[in-house]
Amino acid sequence: AQSVTQLGSHVSVSEGALVLLRCNYSSSVPPYLFWYVQYPNQGLQLLLKYTSAATLVKGINGFEAEFKKSETSFHLTKPSAHMSDAAEYFCAVSEGNAGNMLTFGGGTRLMVKP
Amino acid sequence: GAGVSQSPSNKVTEKGKDVELRCDPISGHTALYWYRQSLGQGLEFLIYFQGNSAPDKSGLPSDRFSAERTGGSVSTLTIQRTQQEDSAVYLCASSLRVAAGYHEQFFGPGTRLTVL
Repeated sequence: AQSVTQLGSHVSVSEGALVLLRCNYSSSVPPYLFWYVQYPNQGLQLLLKYTSAATLVKGINGFEAEFKKSETSFHLTKPSAHMSDAAEYFCAVSEGNAGNMLTFGGGTRLMVKP
Repeated sequence: GAGVSQSPSNKVTEKGKDVELRCDPISGHTALYWYRQSLGQGLEFLIYFQGNSAPDKSGLPSDRFSAERTGGSVSTLTIQRTQQEDSAVYLCASSLRVAAGYHEQFFGPGTRLTVL
């Protein structure tokens, strides 16, 4: 079975500050890991994914995440927050088996203060 | 090209009524997923279809929920005798295929269901 835990349902940063959104997972097999972003009244958009290649993954809008197997973590970072980054972020895991169904964390709402 | 579309965008219904939610996947995508996003349960998988294979219904919360996919394209999620706890955003996603490895799932905007 797989599960995802996102620490902090709400994170607030100042514009220009570092963004760090935490994600820890459990999986019985080497996982595929994802970060999705959801803007108000919109669907989910893929930010980045880890699929067993490089452990440091770069995504869209300046975000990146590092897969750390020893810590079972996949934290999302961005060096400098922008007002447009305000949204809800979801970490997800798939075991890549038949179906590739995603198991999501509870989500983290990112607020960016001017 | 066109993304995943869902209709209606909002649906308000009375407790006990049946509802149908529609999903149009990206053309050529053989895999289709339904997820539910609710305040109490977060984002959870409901059902997935792959080509002409029998769907994986392991995430459906009760037998009031069913889904079909006609012609390998459009899918309809039906909820019978709706209950207030069914209120949620229902998200549909599609991907190229399901095989070894991973193929990105593209999500639609969702249908917000409110059961009064």
